Amino acid sequence: DIVMTQSPDSLAVSLGERATINCKSSQSILYNSNNKNYLAWYQQKPGQPPKLLIYWASTRESGVPDRFSGSGSGTDFTLTISSLQAEDAAVYYCQQYYSTRPYTFGQGTKLEIK
Amino acid sequence: EVQLVESGGGLIQPGGSLRLSCAASGFTVSSNYMSWVRQAPGKGLEWVSIIYSGGDTYYAESVKGRFTISRDNSQNTLYLQMNSLRAEDTAVYYCALGSSGYYYDYWGQGTLVTVSS
Repeated sequence: DIVMTQSPDSLAVSLGERATINCKSSQSILYNSNNKNYLAWYQQKPGQPPKLLIYWASTRESGVPDRFSGSGSGTDFTLTISSLQAEDAAVYYCQQYYSTRPYTFGQGTKLEIK
Repeated sequence: EVQLVESGGGLIQPGGSLRLSCAASGFTVSSNYMSWVRQAPGKGLEWVSIIYSGGDTYYAESVKGRFTISRDNSQNTLYLQMNSLRAEDTAVYYCALGSSGYYYDYWGQGTLVTVSS
């Protein structure tokens, strides 16, 4: 199984500041034939299901504010929130879909407002 | 508009069985790949099972042999039959749609399963 490890487990950032969450996979999730990284990012708020933010490591889902961006390739990935808003307080998960049996998620990163 | 509505959760004793349903609208279940993902109280997301449009099914090792994913094309509904339930199966169970064939772009609100005596 591909293990996804996020860092940090939690962080507190002031409003308007940048937040950065990292995700590392235990093996490359870059598919060489199409040069795509098989990684998604989700946001989950209390009492709600996860919401897709980013797929193919850097493509924003429709309707997601452009302050959210994804980067990275191979085994190392980053979710960046450029200017933190109050509504961004949530738990964020990365997920690989390169090896689909099983799909695996990171353990989650809790983002709080400082 | 895509909608996923889970039902069937509840309190069940260890060793018991439960069937979860996920009623879908706005798309055809049989033409897409769909999964169950669970989340134990205060914990992260755990992938449970998938059914592909062709009918192939796969399971996490933790539920293999105990859980069965299926769908009813006439009802446009996804199911998860859970047998031999254990305390560690306690979680909110989400059904999720991967309309692109890869990542999960739609999720239901979840249904809580509590396994306890």
